[in-house]
Amino acid sequence: DAKTTQPPSMDCAEGRAANLPCNHSTISGNEYVYWYRQIHSQGPQYIIHGLKNNETNEMASLIITEDRKSSTLILPHATLRDTAVYYCIVRARGGTSYGKLTFGQGTILTVHP
Amino acid sequence: DAGVIQSPRHEVTEMGQEVTLRCKLISGHNSLFWYRQTMMRGLELLIYFNNNVPIDDSGMPEDRFSAKMPNASFSTLKIQPSEPRDSAVYFCASSRGTGDTGELFFGEGSRLTVL
Repeated sequence: DAKTTQPPSMDCAEGRAANLPCNHSTISGNEYVYWYRQIHSQGPQYIIHGLKNNETNEMASLIITEDRKSSTLILPHATLRDTAVYYCIVRARGGTSYGKLTFGQGTILTVHP
Repeated sequence: DAGVIQSPRHEVTEMGQEVTLRCKLISGHNSLFWYRQTMMRGLELLIYFNNNVPIDDSGMPEDRFSAKMPNASFSTLKIQPSEPRDSAVYFCASSRGTGDTGELFFGEGSRLTVL
């Protein structure tokens, strides 16, 4: 699976949009971009994933650049409860990668009042 | 609907003792994953099952670790004998169907401390 690079930490004011970047310059054509987050003392939580089109769900939006070498997770109106470690994961589906989410160090997002 | 349920939430034991961690999958899910999280190594996949069958156990540290799925909704992870370096948070996760969607639902974890 392709390697990802994320900033170690970011801050955001409550109510503002939080934009979390991820670089994955070696991504292959069959690899998806996944985002998970882990709130302190809880298990990781799936947020969203995409292949090449932008995606939106009730939690967030995922913007993938046209060359697919980077992406941005957007939390449109961050709240204090969004303070967590956010993981960007790139992986192919099936085959030897089945189920294997390789979690890196992620980005610690701190939302301030 | 209930999420993935793990027990115990916390376990403190002495080196050499047997430890059994338990996991109940979300109803209707077919795949089961055991992960371990430590400060040094982050989150690591230990083993996963598909339809009760172990598919890949290459992440299991050594023979002291074993995992089973006695039925479609329940799994155990056993460490015998336990060692201090096994101290970690152990997460169980499940996913729908047999396809590899990458959408895993994690439990709250079992925090193991081996003295």
